Amino acid sequence: AQSVTQLDSQVPVFEEAPVELRCNYSSSVSVYLFWYVQYPNQGLQLLLKYLSGSTLVKGINGFEAEFNKSQTSFHLRKPSVHISDTAEYFCAVNAGNMLTFGGGTRLMVKP
Amino acid sequence: DSGVTQTPKHLITATGQRVTLRCSPRSGDLSVYWYQQSLDQGLQFLIQYYNGEERAKGNILERFSAQQFPDLHSELNLSSLELGDSALYFCASSVKGFGIQETQYFGPGTRLLVL
Repeated sequence: AQSVTQLDSQVPVFEEAPVELRCNYSSSVSVYLFWYVQYPNQGLQLLLKYLSGSTLVKGINGFEAEFNKSQTSFHLRKPSVHISDTAEYFCAVNAGNMLTFGGGTRLMVKP
Repeated sequence: DSGVTQTPKHLITATGQRVTLRCSPRSGDLSVYWYQQSLDQGLQFLIQYYNGEERAKGNILERFSAQQFPDLHSELNLSSLELGDSALYFCASSVKGFGIQETQYFGPGTRLLVL
């Protein structure tokens, strides 16, 4: 079985500041990792994914994430956030067809 | 726009009733997944269908059932509804559904409110 922990339920940050959203996972098998974003009153949109290869993955909207196998982490980063990045961010693992999601992190970007 | 459509967008009903949620996958996708998003349980996988056959089951209650039709659209049936079933129900689709590398594309969701 696999599980995902998002360590921060809310992250407030000022516009143009950098941000890191933390994600740790546990699994007894190889996993594939995803970050999804949910804007208010919308569905989930894929930000980026790690399947294999380079541990630094670049996604849409200037986001990137780094896979760290030894620390079982997949933290999401952006060097400079915008007001429009205000949303809920979900880390997920796929180890057998279904996605297992973390509890989500609400990113609140303040002007 | 992910290409996955869900209807209706909102649904309000009473306890004890039955509702049907509908999902149309992206063109070419054979697999459909259902997820429930609630405040207390977060995002949970319910069930997956691949080309009309049930492939995987998650935390789906016995009062809930799903099916995938020959045209690949899927319906999630929720019966004997309880207040705790109020949630956002997402459908997702993927091309095959048996490769763990596959990306799942999500629809906009159906918000169910049970009064």
